[in-house]
Amino acid sequence: KAGVTQTPRYLIKTRGQQVTLSCSPISGHRSVSWYQQTPGQGLQFLFEYFSETQRNKGNFPGRFSGRQFSNSRSEMNVSTLELGDSALYLCASSWRQVNSYNEQFFGPGTRLTVL
Amino acid sequence: AQSVTQLDSQVPVFEEAPVELRCNYSSSVSVYLFWYVQYPNQGLQLLLKYLSGSTLVKGINGFEAEFNKSQTSFHLRKPSVHISDTAEYFCAVSDSSASKIIFGSGTRLSIRP
Repeated sequence: KAGVTQTPRYLIKTRGQQVTLSCSPISGHRSVSWYQQTPGQGLQFLFEYFSETQRNKGNFPGRFSGRQFSNSRSEMNVSTLELGDSALYLCASSWRQVNSYNEQFFGPGTRLTVL
Repeated sequence: AQSVTQLDSQVPVFEEAPVELRCNYSSSVSVYLFWYVQYPNQGLQLLLKYLSGSTLVKGINGFEAEFNKSQTSFHLRKPSVHISDTAEYFCAVSDSSASKIIFGSGTRLSIRP
């Protein structure tokens, strides 16, 4: 079974631009969570999508948004990029079954560099 | 609110020596606890998890961790490390839904031959 895939793997943008990152979950998984990893702030939770609805949100500005499609694939968008948005963006997928533990499986990440 | 503290940012150790990576957590509710490993230029891989039951948890690659509720700790141990264990290790916590994981700041384990 294929793992979580993220595209693109590397991206270079300039300040003020916007960017869209894509995440394809493991087949059958219905939940996708996004995380930002930076040297200064570490790993921080951005948001989770399940059944095309945002279920959980971290403490990030509104420039960070996401969506989920009916096939569970997810995209996250960052508008008006700032230098501090340079990071590794990880997505993770899980079954999200009720009343049971749902392991999150992580993709390899997209490394975004903002110049 | 939940939080995780990893007390050591870097741990150097000689090959075949034992290692312990320390982790303390705080939470007002019952939690799940995890250790993840990240190899260079890769995503996160789950090493082990504590959900309930036995406080000694065994994971992959010979790692184990002990849940100590009174000390709110979840330290990771390995009796004999190998060069291939060189990586960054993250302790993490979540509530019972496990859909939002709170990570510690990470401990970089470097193995000296």
